Amino acid sequence: AQKVTQAQTEISVVEKEDVTLDCVYETRDTTYYLFWYKQPPSGELVFLIRRNSFDEQNEISGRYSWNFQKSTSSFNFTITASQVVDSAVYFCALSGYSTLTFGKGTMLLVSP
Amino acid sequence: DAGVTQSPTHLIKTRGQQVTLRCSPKSGHDTVSWYQQALGQGPQFIFQYYEEEERQRGNFPDRFSGHQFPNYSSELNVNALLLGDSALYLCASSLVGGVDTGELFFGEGSRLTVL
Repeated sequence: AQKVTQAQTEISVVEKEDVTLDCVYETRDTTYYLFWYKQPPSGELVFLIRRNSFDEQNEISGRYSWNFQKSTSSFNFTITASQVVDSAVYFCALSGYSTLTFGKGTMLLVSP
Repeated sequence: DAGVTQSPTHLIKTRGQQVTLRCSPKSGHDTVSWYQQALGQGPQFIFQYYEEEERQRGNFPDRFSGHQFPNYSSELNVNALLLGDSALYLCASSLVGGVDTGELFFGEGSRLTVL
């Protein structure tokens, strides 16, 4: 069975601080994708980043960066110089069998 | 180009009633997946429809059923509602091979409250 664990329930930071959201996953598949989604109060899940299991190169995209370590089954997500508009619930997700398995989410509160 | 649209956005039902939620996929997409998101939880996969057939199903009882129409739109039906069915129901559309690679687009959801 697939499983995604987001141990951080809620994180509070002050604007311009960097923040890292943790994600640990379990899967028996050798090929899979990992994702981060953002869910603002409106409810829609907004796709942020995707990484496939064969590519452990870490990247930066604007204020977003991610650290994928297959050896520890972790896929952490960092927001640099956080802004109030980043306040939302963030979900890590794992693909498999044509479905996505989500973690329970981390609520990020960015105060001015 | 319209994205994924869901209706209604909010609704209130009482225990034992039945509800139908609707989803129109993004233009060009042929696969619709439904997820249930209880308060404070991550979305959980209910089922997926492709070519008007249920292709995959998560761990949900038979009270949850669905349908896909020739125009690829979909309905989620829940019978004999329980208080625990209160949740945000999300529809996601994709091409049939797109789920595993993350080419998945979500609607804003239908928020169901069961009293």
